[in-house]
Amino acid sequence: SQQGEEDPQALSIQEGENATMNCSYKTSINNLQWYRQNSGRGLVHLILIRSNEREKHSGRLRVTLDTSKKSSSLLITASRAADTASYFCATAPQRGGGNKLTFGTGTQLKVEL
Amino acid sequence: GAGVSQSPSNKVTEKGKDVELRCDPISGHTALYWYRQSLGQGLEFLIYFQGNSAPDKSGLPSDRFSAERTGGSVSTLTIQRTQQEDSAVYLCASSLGPSFTYEQYFGPGTRLTVT
Repeated sequence: SQQGEEDPQALSIQEGENATMNCSYKTSINNLQWYRQNSGRGLVHLILIRSNEREKHSGRLRVTLDTSKKSSSLLITASRAADTASYFCATAPQRGGGNKLTFGTGTQLKVEL
Repeated sequence: GAGVSQSPSNKVTEKGKDVELRCDPISGHTALYWYRQSLGQGLEFLIYFQGNSAPDKSGLPSDRFSAERTGGSVSTLTIQRTQQEDSAVYLCASSLGPSFTYEQYFGPGTRLTVT
């Protein structure tokens, strides 16, 4: 299976609720990044968490990283209809392990009014 | 400042024809990536350029695919003798450096349809 697999594949919530997406990966990483994609086009970088960090916040976003379990979660608090998008995690290899990000297949989030 | 731009935004071509896709990265970004995304799928890495180093071509699916980056800036992805399975959105991204340090900035993509 792919490095960087998101769970669930699809999530539907009501506006104002929190949304949690999970990502699992297989190999050692330097950092893990979360991206958002609207309408199947360009991705927007949300947050980067390094392997020596456990939690990071950015506005309504909270990301956790557990390197012992090789997993990460993205929490969006007080969701809005505008948060409807696909969310991808991507892992960056450790220095010397190559230069490419490996993306998962994404979680489709739908926030309903 | 300006973000990553790609052209064309949409391209419809007949099977067997060659296509060229263009990417203009953010000024000053030394790293440039090409990805492919099929409908409802994640991103598939194609190729990576970093400064003057030899590109990482490990993701190119066949020898029909090639890419170049001129003057360390603009990049062109060429697909020769297109096949229907080449239909996808082709995304370009740039960053200040390699992915183990920096986040990537994506362009809007080129939607390629091979008929």
